[in-house]
Amino acid sequence: SAVISQKPSRDICQRGTSLTIQCQVDSQVTMMFWYRQQPGQSLTLIATANQGSEATYESGFVIDKFPISRPNLTFSTLTVSNMSPEDSSIYLCSVDLRLAGGEQFFGPGTRLTVL
Amino acid sequence: SQQGEEDPQALSIQEGENATMNCSYKTSINNLQWYRQNSGRGLVHLILIRSNEREKHSGRLRVTLDTSKKSSSLLITASRAADTASYFCAPQGKLIFGQGTTLQVKP
Repeated sequence: SAVISQKPSRDICQRGTSLTIQCQVDSQVTMMFWYRQQPGQSLTLIATANQGSEATYESGFVIDKFPISRPNLTFSTLTVSNMSPEDSSIYLCSVDLRLAGGEQFFGPGTRLTVL
Repeated sequence: SQQGEEDPQALSIQEGENATMNCSYKTSINNLQWYRQNSGRGLVHLILIRSNEREKHSGRLRVTLDTSKKSSSLLITASRAADTASYFCAPQGKLIFGQGTTLQVKP
């Protein structure tokens, strides 16, 4: 398995500001993912982040709004830019341990509230 | 990538009873994973079952996979109040999640 931590665990932000969420894994992984879970909804994949290449965004998500960094094999950041109340969600990072059999593990999430 | 569809959407049982939830998917897979999410928290990986496996156990959990019917089931035996959570299945690949099954176990 993998131990995944996220910072911050929660935050309350003002409209128009930006927040950067950090995801740290205790082992090197090739593929990292960022998900959003809006209140009462299931998880939606935002983007896939591979080290050394640009993140791949899903339909409905753009780099200007959700820039992602992946500087090494154990760390990634997701920035939620120019926030509005509609961005209030739980944001989760996830890693795919393909070398260990394909299980995908999730971090504890970052609960974001935008006022 | 494909989405798993869980059924039922909601399930309410008494503590000690068994809970069964089902998952259907559309195209062939190499594996399928089940997750649990307690309210407002991260997803906990429960089990991964491969296409060449028909059944897999982990503690009080039993997962089955029927590749001919493109379906899987998760059985929780002797349920506890702490099992109250949402449960999701995710067919292999880029994980796309359905709405899940919300399980309530009453003490």
